[in-house]
Amino acid sequence: DIQMTQSPSSLSASVGDRVTITCRASQGIRNDLGWYQQKPGKAPKRLIYAASSLQSGVPSRFSGSGSGTEFTLTISSLQPEDFATYYCLQHNSYPQTFGQGTKVEIK
Amino acid sequence: EVQLVESGGGLVQPGGSLRLSCAASGFTFSSYWMSWVRQAPGKGLEWVANIKQDGSEKYYVDSVKGRFTISRDNAKNSLYLQMNSLRAEDTAVYYCARDSPYSSSWGFDYWGQGTLVTVSS
Repeated sequence: DIQMTQSPSSLSASVGDRVTITCRASQGIRNDLGWYQQKPGKAPKRLIYAASSLQSGVPSRFSGSGSGTEFTLTISSLQPEDFATYYCLQHNSYPQTFGQGTKVEIK
Repeated sequence: EVQLVESGGGLVQPGGSLRLSCAASGFTFSSYWMSWVRQAPGKGLEWVANIKQDGSEKYYVDSVKGRFTISRDNAKNSLYLQMNSLRAEDTAVYYCARDSPYSSSWGFDYWGQGTLVTVSS
């Protein structure tokens, strides 16, 4: 199975901060990676697909980059509604696997 | 508008069975891979299973192989998850998710609201 290691597991940031979350795959997955945001009690929402493509309707402050084994989700200017938990997901091979999540909290 | 509505969750004893359903609307259901994803209380997300557009391919995470069966009825725009030999560790919110319209999976662009399965005596 491909292991997805996300870092950090949590972070504290202020509104307006630039935030970067990293996902590392245990083997190469091309660009078969998505990023998801989940708020408490809600279903996840996809932000990024194919590592760097912005999902329709998602604000442009979210961006993704990377290929192979190293991937990054960047929030250019953190907004109050962005405080949530973020997950990466690889769908290159079965079983599809999520990172363990990164909780973004208010500083 | 794409909608996915899960049902069928509840409390079941260890070793018992449960069948989850997901009613899809707002898109051509038969054109998409579909998946089940679960989340144990306070834990992260875990992909459980998916099924190809025509039901000809199905994949499962190892922990549910031989116990869970994913299926679909394209005429009824419905996805199912038959769960047998349930264990305490299967306790989770189960989400139905729309996957790819292509020949292979590409992640999940729409999710249902989830249904809670609790396995306890």
